Parts: sequence; structure tokens; C-alpha cells
Amino acid sequence: ETGVTQTPRHLVMGMTNKKSLKCEQHLGHNAMYWYKQSAKKPLELMFVYNFKEQTENNSVPSRFSPECPNSSHLFLHLHTLQPEDSALYLCASSPPGQGSYNEQFFGPGTRLTVL
Amino acid sequence: AQSVTQLGSHVSVSEGALVLLRCNYSSSVPPYLFWYVQYPNQGLQLLLKYTTGATLVKGINGFEAEFKKSETSFHLTKPSAHMSDAAEYFCAVSEVTGGFKTIFGAGTRLFVKA
Repeated sequence: ETGVTQTPRHLVMGMTNKKSLKCEQHLGHNAMYWYKQSAKKPLELMFVYNFKEQTENNSVPSRFSPECPNSSHLFLHLHTLQPEDSALYLCASSPPGQGSYNEQFFGPGTRLTVL
Repeated sequence: AQSVTQLGSHVSVSEGALVLLRCNYSSSVPPYLFWYVQYPNQGLQLLLKYTTGATLVKGINGFEAEFKKSETSFHLTKPSAHMSDAAEYFCAVSEVTGGFKTIFGAGTRLFVKA
């Protein structure tokens, strides 16, 4: 596969469940991002990893736990979520170099519904 | 702090008409500016970006945008809309000083009428 892939594409979970979102990029990029996209709101940056090190945590609640085992894979572990956490979760990656200069390549997202 | 304002959450144009999507930004340092497009059930895709140099930037699918520092604007235009342009468009800003933080606008959904 090429580009940025995300699995699963759709996820329904109860508030007491634990689940994980997976993102994988085959572009040779070093930086990876998690965003939350809710209806009628700007994209919210959640986390950024550069060479597996977390560089941004945008005051995200601890019920969201990221993991970046290598530059190609990024996970978002979810536990005891709330209904307001229902959203489209987008993963992105960007090439080596100055992060803010580079375009980001996005995956198709995971549509999460919390019941 | 940086911010992005997209004027109009919805814009409707007729096929063949001019497309104008407005974006104003706020940044305390020189910005990098981006326009992304999102088609249904897909992630965002870069249309064009401004970093330095020429203020009129050309992108994919016939889109272009002009960086106007005095107006803190980066409006997106296309001379003639196609049905395939119907999508959501996001303006974004990041700082020249580095880091990985890009701030996105709330998006403008473009409708194209036959």
C-alpha cells in the first residue's frame, strides 16, 4: 500500500470499552500527527511525533493515549471515552525537514462513534 | 498566537462561474499558508502553499491563491468551477519559526450547481 492508511475506518464503542486506532505511512516521513475533526469545528491537533518523540500534546485528555513505536506507525489508544469524543480522527505525516514548512499527507480517517 | 478565519461555512456557485473562498490569518511572525481540500470519505489533500517568494501561488486543479500581507489574507480562487470541485476547503497557517503546529480554519464547503 502507498500513502497514509488508517484502520479501522469505522468504530463504534461503548464508554467503558478500550480500543485502538492505527495509522501507517509508507512515504518515508519522520513526523506523524493525530487530529480530531468534529462537525462545524476546525481541525484540532492532538499529538505530534517527530522521529518517534512526542513534540506536541495539545492538552488532550488522558483517555486518549498515543503511541509511536517507529516513524512509520502511530497508534491512538482509547479508553473510557465520552459521547462528545465522537468524531473523525485523522492521521497525517510530513517529510523530514522543518515541520511547519512541509505539507502534511492525510489518511482517510477513522469515524468514531461513542455510545 | 496564530489563528485562521474562513469567511462563509458554505459557498454555492454555478458550474463555470468564478470560485472565491476567503481566508484571513493572524500570525505574529511570517507565516506559511496552505489550502487543503477534503472530498467525502477522504483525508485532506494539499491544493497549494505559500512559503516565500511570489505571492501568487498556483496549485492543482486550476486553483490559485494570493498572499496579501497588508490584508492578512490568502484567498483561494478558480476562474471556472467544475462539478468535481464540490468539496470542503481548509485554509491553514503555520509559523516560519519552526515546530510542527499547523492551525486550520473551520472549513468552507463548496457547492457547484449544474
